[in-house]
Parts: sequence; C-alpha cells; structure tokens
Amino acid sequence: AQSVTQLGSHVSVSEGALVLLRCNYSSSVPPYLFWYVQYPNQGLQLLLKYTSAATLVKGINGFEAEFKKSETSFHLTKPSAHMSDAAEYFCAVQTGGSNYKLTFGKGTLLTVNP
Amino acid sequence: NAGVTQTPKFQVLKTGQSMTLQCAQDMNHNSMYWYRQDPGMGLRLIYYSASEGTTDKGEVPNGYNVSRLNKREFSLRLESAAPSQTSVYFCASSLREGRAEAFFGQGTRLTVV
Repeated sequence: AQSVTQLGSHVSVSEGALVLLRCNYSSSVPPYLFWYVQYPNQGLQLLLKYTSAATLVKGINGFEAEFKKSETSFHLTKPSAHMSDAAEYFCAVQTGGSNYKLTFGKGTLLTVNP
Repeated sequence: NAGVTQTPKFQVLKTGQSMTLQCAQDMNHNSMYWYRQDPGMGLRLIYYSASEGTTDKGEVPNGYNVSRLNKREFSLRLESAAPSQTSVYFCASSLREGRAEAFFGQGTRLTVV
C-alpha cells in the first residue's frame, strides 16, 4: 500500500531562514505526490504536485519540492521563510487505483520566529 | 465561485444524538471525500465516492454513513454520536483522474459531549 511519512511534527525557523519539510513515500509504482498547506481555521489548499513531468516542482508562495526516486523522498523547501508561511503542511500520495484517493501524512507545523 | 461548501461550520452534540454534515461542490467533479482531522493524526479518510452512485469505506468508517445525493452533494451522517467523534471534518472533491488536485471545504468543527 502507498503511504507517506513526514519527519518532524513541528519545525521552527527564523524569518529569512531556509525552510525544509521532509516527506518520504512508499510506493511500488511511480507515485503522484502532493503538498498541501493549512492556515489556522481553514481548509487545505494545494501548494504543488509531482506528476512525473519534472523532478523539481515549483509551487505557490516560493515553495518548491524535489522528487528523488533513489531516496523515495519529496521534501518541501523555501529559501527564505516569511512570517506568513506559518501554517501546517501536509504531504499526500494518491492511492486507491482508479479511485485516486489521497492518503495524507500526519502533518508538520511550521513556526516562523521574528 | 463557491468551490466546496460545508454546513454547518460548528456543532455541539450530546452523546447519542444524530446529525448530518452537508457538502456541496460546484466544480462538476466526479469524486467526493470525507476526512476527519485530529491533532497529530493528519487527515484520515472516512468515506469516499469515486463517482455519482458509488460510495466506499475509507480508513475510519465506523460510526458513520454517507449518501451521494447527486453529483454535487455528498453528506456524512453520525447516527449516534460518541465523544470519540469529536473532530474537525473536511469534505473534498476532485476529478476522477490521476494527478487531480483535491479541493477542500472550510471544515466543520464538531464537539460531542
């Protein structure tokens, strides 16, 4: 079964510092992978997705993620954190054969300190 | 452009009461989902409907039922609420195809006392 593991339930960075949120997947076939962001008291919105077209994927708000098959990873990065990046981030993999369900990781809460 | 609309936004129930969470989408999506979000657990799939007329259990279906009323609407029913069902519930929808993005509602915060 396909799944994702997010390493670190809480990451704290200073404003202007590099953001690195880790996600590893398990899949027997090339997966479709997603990063979602959830701001306080809101639903989830898509940051970016990997669909096999390119290994480096750029998303909204300056975020990007690199698909590394050899490491089964899809880590999310941003060169310089902004206060507005404080949120919870979820990695997800599409599972379920032709039903295309999304299976989520447990999430990583990002705190940005001034 | 409403997207995915959930009602109600907040609800408090007593143990044993029943209620239905409503969800509607206006994006002509085939697939709809119900997730629950609990601290430290991420989002867990309760039920999904891959297309109109079909529903299937997800990871945590016990204590819930669903109805895919039409292509737009997908409701979640708690027949006899329990404190363990205190959670934030999210409805989502997507096209039924690979790489399809899921769009989420704003959530329903349910407390069972």
